[in-house]
Amino acid sequence: GQNIDQPTEMTATEGAIVQINCTYQTSGFNGLFWYQQHAGEAPTFLSYNVLDGLEEKGRFSSFLSRSKGYSYLLLKELQMKDSASYLCAARSSWGKLQFGAGTQVVVTP
Amino acid sequence: GAVVSQHPSWVICKSGTSVKIECRSLDFQATTMFWYRQFPKQSLMLMATSNEGSKATYEQGVEKDKFLINHASLTLSTLTVTSAHPEDSSFYICSARDRSRVEEKLFFGSGTQLSVL
Repeated sequence: GQNIDQPTEMTATEGAIVQINCTYQTSGFNGLFWYQQHAGEAPTFLSYNVLDGLEEKGRFSSFLSRSKGYSYLLLKELQMKDSASYLCAARSSWGKLQFGAGTQVVVTP
Repeated sequence: GAVVSQHPSWVICKSGTSVKIECRSLDFQATTMFWYRQFPKQSLMLMATSNEGSKATYEQGVEKDKFLINHASLTLSTLTVTSAHPEDSSFYICSARDRSRVEEKLFFGSGTQLSVL
């Protein structure tokens, strides 16, 4: 089976850093994705990790530890437009993507 | 980048009618497409996996006779909600996998907000 856990909501001020943690239990794990979703819109791809370590992409970085079943998404230099839901998703060896419930990030001035 | 087009963006229909939602991959061939539904402030729930030229694979608890999926070509999959009822009101999103990319990431359509009166 699969189980994805991430916090429901996080609040931070503009310019700050926020780290969104995600733990997963997935049969035949084959990659961890992070997506950003604004209300009423489809998710947009942010990052993909399949090997342990940190992947940096501009203001966003994603980390994976396969042995711990753990990932985090790091958002730096927060901007108001970063207010959105961030979805952690684990892919199984069958190719199915299981999404977490999403973490609502609220950026305040 | 890869684009997935989903149509319509929103639809309001009467209870008992059927609604068809289209999902097209515009610049890549998608042998596999996925259909999700999402209730407000909840996660995306996978409904079914659509494979080109074969029957769709439905997740547990999803009625295949109610949610008809057809994947007739490498660029088009359709979801038909038959005899829709108010409880079917939800945000439906399709996604397609681009196998030509190393990470085989999913690209999502823009979603369809279905409201059944």
